[in-house]
Amino acid sequence: QLQLQESGPGLVKPSETLSLTCTVSGDSISSATYYWGWIRQPPGKGLEWIGSIYYSGRTYYNPSLKSRVTISVDTSKSQFSLKLNSVTAADTAIYYCARQNHKLWFGPGWGQGSLVTVSS
Amino acid sequence: QSVLTQPPSVSGAAGQRVTISCTGSSSNIGAGYDVHWYQQFPGAAPKLLMYADTNRPSGVPGRFSGSKSGTSASLAITGLQAEDEADYYCQSYDSSLSGSVFGGGTKLTVL
Repeated sequence: QLQLQESGPGLVKPSETLSLTCTVSGDSISSATYYWGWIRQPPGKGLEWIGSIYYSGRTYYNPSLKSRVTISVDTSKSQFSLKLNSVTAADTAIYYCARQNHKLWFGPGWGQGSLVTVSS
Repeated sequence: QSVLTQPPSVSGAAGQRVTISCTGSSSNIGAGYDVHWYQQFPGAAPKLLMYADTNRPSGVPGRFSGSKSGTSASLAITGLQAEDEADYYCQSYDSSLSGSVFGGGTKLTVL
């Protein structure tokens, strides 16, 4: 059964870099059928796609975040990671990782979410 | 302002039918890109509810159905149950943004 688990600091200072890792189990992260994506949700607000990565390392980013985002994959560890630099309070959100079908829907299989607060 | 527009809230009595709309444009739904729907309960991760316009993942009751026409899509729920009370989000691909886009979400209240 596919499981995804986010991990990383829950508190990041303004102007610093947010770093999260998603560990995948129950499926191969090297599957040619899927992408692996990051989605965030500010408290009380809607969902925002951050970006996705293919096992080969090819990335796709939300244009509104592209200048600050890096997503990478480590197939040997069955993990993919998110880095968001120069964070502000507006980046405070629950960050989800999810498997993305090649037809671009997310799931089945989302992480439980990781709340990251940007505050000094 | 979301690229895909949903009503902030809808409501219906138990047993009734409700629909949630998702309005896009010629660069997303109108261009023929698939629409997907998610259900989210408070404190939980979103769950895939409908994929590629009209397809239900295994385990999703047949009371849920999806449709698409022109630049809009809809999620219909028949035989409304108290357990359906949740937030619902639509998602598609936008060619002008070259990426996935979500609707702003709709809160369903079962009266």
